Amino acid sequence: DSGVTQTPKHLITATGQRVTLRCSPRSGDLSVYWYQQSLDQGLQFLIQYYNGEERAKGNILERFSAQQFPDLHSELNLSSLELGDSALYFCASSAGGGAADTQYFGPGTRLTVL
Amino acid sequence: AQTVTQSQPEMSVQEAETVTLSCTYDTSESDYYLFWYKQPPSRQMILVIRQEAYKQQNATENRFSVNFQKAAKSFSLKISDSQLGDAAMYFCAYRGNFGNEKLTFGTGTRLTIIP
Repeated sequence: DSGVTQTPKHLITATGQRVTLRCSPRSGDLSVYWYQQSLDQGLQFLIQYYNGEERAKGNILERFSAQQFPDLHSELNLSSLELGDSALYFCASSAGGGAADTQYFGPGTRLTVL
Repeated sequence: AQTVTQSQPEMSVQEAETVTLSCTYDTSESDYYLFWYKQPPSRQMILVIRQEAYKQQNATENRFSVNFQKAAKSFSLKISDSQLGDAAMYFCAYRGNFGNEKLTFGTGTRLTIIP
């Protein structure tokens, strides 16, 4: 158990819908990262938050947004869902205080868009 | 931008034998970090080992060790005394220095352990 929790574990929805994925980092970690794992794109970085502020952005679609709350949990919002958004979405956390941090991954949320 | 290449989509090894998974990367940074993550059928991403680029000594974690060749930009993972529980996808990942903290992953190598 990495200490990172993600809910829900599975999500099945229809095209055009909106969903919210939730992540709670390890105790004391300030940085949260979101990654998408799909069959055709592999593992891709989406976005990073550090202590409530957006720190880095990757290949995140405009239909996707995220935020980190004062209690440091993070949510990834996916809207106007398309079939191609079906993937495993990982959240990872790290201490965030320096470059030497290791990222620890949550169990992931499997999103299926029908 | 950094890239990570794993040229072996699949590998297999007999139980108790040794196997080496290859990884190369491309970067213009001088200070960075390299990781191997394991993804078993449960799909959980589990850290196996990490290497700091400024360290010349290769990292070791029990049966897992790396061969880090900075000049060649090569970072291979050696698994000794392979066990059935080692069967998984293995991903090589690159992380830059402060301000470039995202992980860039290779495409993975699927390791099969033959009993």
